[in-house]
Amino acid sequence: QVQLVQSGAEVKKPGASVKVSCKASGYTLTNYDINWVRQATGQGLEWMGWMNPNGNTDSAQKFQDRVTMTWNTSISTAYMELSSLRYEDTAVYYCTRAAGWYSGFDFWGQGSLVTVSS
Amino acid sequence: DIQMTQSPSSLSASVGDRVTITCRASQSIRTYLNWYQQKTGKAPQLLIYGASSLQSGVPSRFSGSGSGTDFTLTISSLQPEDFATYYCQQSYNSLPFTFGQGTKLEIK
Repeated sequence: QVQLVQSGAEVKKPGASVKVSCKASGYTLTNYDINWVRQATGQGLEWMGWMNPNGNTDSAQKFQDRVTMTWNTSISTAYMELSSLRYEDTAVYYCTRAAGWYSGFDFWGQGSLVTVSS
Repeated sequence: DIQMTQSPSSLSASVGDRVTITCRASQSIRTYLNWYQQKTGKAPQLLIYGASSLQSGVPSRFSGSGSGTDFTLTISSLQPEDFATYYCQQSYNSLPFTFGQGTKLEIK
């Protein structure tokens, strides 16, 4: 069965970076898009960025100079690194799978809580 | 960027009720519209993609309709497990993929 299993909770200081991992099983990672979505406590869903099977990436303008999305196909794991962390980056970060732009995000990781605190 | 506006922001209903949530896009997105359900403390779950296609495993009491700028999610007969927050999301033509602000469905 398809699963996306994310790395655990992190606490980071302002200005630091965090790297969240997303291990895929039950399907071939590079046959689907991976999107990253975050959600601050009590808030809605915010799309952050996208990687397609060709390895092309794009991200929301507000993150473009701070987010890096990669994957290691040998271990079926995608990564999202967010740098220059601010207090307002405190949120649960999700990786999601999509078969294409018309298919919706059909599987989600369990979420990784990132807390930015001094 | 395409803006997505859901209404209402919150809704109280009873088990067995028929409920409709609407989502409006700031420009035409054809049928590139998806609906998600999120329960407290859990990841969202895809309900509807392509405006009206039911995701595998989702109960048939959920349905979606619309095209262009106006869309609806309908739950034909509310069940206790349906009380959650619902989000629409557009995935048309160019990034970013934007979400609506959410509709919280509560028990009356």
